[in-house]
Amino acid sequence: SYELTQAPSVSVSPGQTASITCSGDKLGNQYASWYQQRPGQSPLLVIYQNNKRPSGIPERFSGSNSGNTATLTISGTQAMDEADYYCQAWDRSTVVFGGGTKLTVL
Amino acid sequence: QVHLQESGPGLVKPSQTLSLTCTVSGDSVTSDSYYWSWIRQPAGKGLEWLGRIYRSGITNYNPSLKSRGTILLDTSKNQFSLNLSSVTAADTAIYYCARENFGYAYYYMDVWGKGTTVTVSS
Repeated sequence: SYELTQAPSVSVSPGQTASITCSGDKLGNQYASWYQQRPGQSPLLVIYQNNKRPSGIPERFSGSNSGNTATLTISGTQAMDEADYYCQAWDRSTVVFGGGTKLTVL
Repeated sequence: QVHLQESGPGLVKPSQTLSLTCTVSGDSVTSDSYYWSWIRQPAGKGLEWLGRIYRSGITNYNPSLKSRGTILLDTSKNQFSLNLSSVTAADTAIYYCARENFGYAYYYMDVWGKGTTVTVSS
């Protein structure tokens, strides 16, 4: 089965840039999406089709996808960005999620 | 504004069938632009996509369910449902329903319900 691999945790200082990566075989051959999940809340779509932001998502969130790696970048990270982030792709018409990365802003 | 709301029993006994319903408002489950999906999340763990249904009734399931899952559409109530048979403690999780976008080389969920917690215990 297809697997997406994410680092369990990433730390960033306020105002700095956070990069969260997601690795999967030939991931760059399809579109990747990213979700933010704060404690006790539902997941929120923050990036779709590699680099598109839904309405209401701040410009500091951006994405890229090439080769075997998709990357979510948060520029000027704020305390409110502290959350779990999940990448998502697909394989044979089934949706696959990465294991999630806990972003700590400290 | 599109809104999804999960409902169903919070406690299910082992070996029984878990049944959940997702009520959609602000959109129609007969839309030709979306799938309607179920995702779950055990406490402290990651997201697991369970399956989807299209307005035609065509379904796709995560192979991990091993044929235990069934997703149905009720167009008269603008709802879709999940039945998961022969449940065990491993099925204890928060269950989310979501609207799923699709196209060439992509699927993604843009609207999620708040989730409902299901515990499997005797």
